[in-house]
Amino acid sequence: DAGVIQSPRHEVTEMGQEVTLRCKPISGHDYLFWYRQTMMRGLELLIYFNNNVPIDDSGMPEDRFSAKMPNASFSTLKIQPSEPRDSAVYFCASSKTSGVPYEQYFGPGTRLTVT
Amino acid sequence: RKEVEQDPGPFNVPEGATVAFNCTYSNSASQSFFWYRQDCRKEPKLLMSVYSSGNEDGRFTAQLNRASQYISLLIRDSKLSDSATYLCVVNPGYKLSFGAGTTVTVRA
Repeated sequence: DAGVIQSPRHEVTEMGQEVTLRCKPISGHDYLFWYRQTMMRGLELLIYFNNNVPIDDSGMPEDRFSAKMPNASFSTLKIQPSEPRDSAVYFCASSKTSGVPYEQYFGPGTRLTVT
Repeated sequence: RKEVEQDPGPFNVPEGATVAFNCTYSNSASQSFFWYRQDCRKEPKLLMSVYSSGNEDGRFTAQLNRASQYISLLIRDSKLSDSATYLCVVNPGYKLSFGAGTTVTVRA
């Protein structure tokens, strides 16, 4: 079975540029989560969706960040404009209501560097 | 106060040794508890859920103490492949709160 798929795996961009990260959750999973991980702050939840609807975006750092989930198999996290402090690894994770509650499966992450 | 606090370590242990570490959580309403494992530059992966009665999975034993609000993980007969960061995870809902992780290094 395919796991959570993220693209790109690495992104290097200049300050001020728009960055779009992509995620395909595991088929059949109805929850999707976006996390950011840095050495200083650890793993932080940015936003999560249930059945494609954003439920909690309180972790989104500021208006430069936006996330969408147009359908059950695709989500994007956009940063516009990007800043050096956005450099981090961004993980997407998915889970399903049935089965083991709250067990989240993570994608391999996108390592973002903003110069 | 952080929702989940862990001793960052590192715990450096020889192969075959037993290593144990705890984490504490602040939200008494938390219902589910987990240990995730994260290898260097990789994604977190679920190691095991933690049940009220305590549970074992091979060489790994997890315990939950609701009264004192802490969770423990014990690794017996450590292997080199156990070297990783172990993340304590709790939740009162579908949001998971992750600890910063405890680093374990097993040496030959």
